[in-house]
Formats: sequence, structure tokens, C-alpha cells
Amino acid sequence: GAVVSQHPSWVICKSGTSVKIECRSLDFQATTMFWYRQFPKQSLMLMATSNEGSKATYEQGVEKDKFLINHASLTLSTLTVTSAHPEDSSFYICSASRGVSYNEQFFGPGTRLTVL
Amino acid sequence: AQSVTQPDIHITVSEGASLELRCNYSYGATPYLFWYVQSPGQGLQLLLKYFSGDTLVQGIKGFEAEFKRSQSSFNLRKPSVHWSDAAEYFCAVGLYNQGGKLIFGQGTELSVKP
Repeated sequence: GAVVSQHPSWVICKSGTSVKIECRSLDFQATTMFWYRQFPKQSLMLMATSNEGSKATYEQGVEKDKFLINHASLTLSTLTVTSAHPEDSSFYICSASRGVSYNEQFFGPGTRLTVL
Repeated sequence: AQSVTQPDIHITVSEGASLELRCNYSYGATPYLFWYVQSPGQGLQLLLKYFSGDTLVQGIKGFEAEFKRSQSSFNLRKPSVHWSDAAEYFCAVGLYNQGGKLIFGQGTELSVKP
């Protein structure tokens, strides 16, 4: 149990276009989902926290208008990278929490974004 | 401020040798502590976690970790490393008073020599 999927697993896009990444909890309801960004050989940096039905909470330094997060249901959150540029190329990982005690997070497999 | 430090960026051990990966944390309350493993291009897999109780926790793949409050440490150990253990290992502290936010250490890359 507690499986999280991401789609797509990799995407290549042209500079200036927008890309949407989906994060789904397959066998549980996720009251909270988290989005991370990871550069090569580096740690995970939390970008934002989203709760179902409410606006996402962004970490300091993360551009809200560039990284749009929607948590429309208890099993789906989306991250849209708007007007992507090469510096947005990264590995994006989502995680989901059931919101029960300890709020343990379950991680998706990640999405590799390359902006040309 | 909360933080997690993994002092070793890269460790190389011989197959069959024992392993210890270090993790120190800074957090004002009793922490929730986690160890994750990440293979190249993959997401994170939970190895083990500590919430409370017995300070020696057992995880998957033969890993264990010991919580030492006095040293603010949560070191990961394995008695005999296998070549398939080569990966990146992340220690994390869970901020239960901030919606379960995780703060990750910098990671330790483990290489295994045949």
C-alpha cells in the first residue's frame, strides 16, 4: 500500500512552453502533497506543500506564478511549470501524506524535466 | 532552525564490509527521523523511521539505525554491504508541527568495491 505515481516520468520541452506534472496517490487518500526539486548530485529541496481544496504554501524563494500547484482531489496534485526555461530543468519529485499520525510521506518516482 | 547534517558526501566500502552513515540533526523537539535511499534517476525509498520507543530501529534490506538524543544523531548501519546497496542515502527530520514537512540532509553517496 501507499503507492504514489508521477506522470510523465520524463519530459522535454521548448523554452517558453508550459509543462504539467501529475502526482497521484494510487491506494490512499492524500490530505497533503509535497513537491520537491532535486538538482544533480544534490539533496531534495521542498518547493511547496499543498492540501486538498486549498492554496499551496510555497517555500521562500519559490516563484508561485512560475510553479503552479493544484490539489484538486484527495488523490491528485499537479505541478505546472509555466514559461519554462533551461534553468528550470531538474528532477521533480512529489510525495503524499495520509495526514494520520506522524504524517509519513510516500514518494513518487520523480519526473525529469529538460527544457531546451 | 531545523537542520540535518550528513558529514560524509561520499563513502566507499568493500562488499561484505560493515557500513555506518552518519546523520546529525538540529530540532527543538523530539524529532521524527527517517532514512531514505535513492538509486540514480529514481524516487526515494524509505529504509526506516524513528518516531518514539526503542532507539534502535530495524529497517528493510538489513539496515538499522540508532537514535541517540544526547548526540542528536541517527546513524545508519549495515553489518555486511552488498553491491546492490550502492546508491544515495538521505537522512531527514520530520517537522510534525509544520504539517509533516521533511528537512533533508545533503545526502551520502555510497560506492561498493567488489
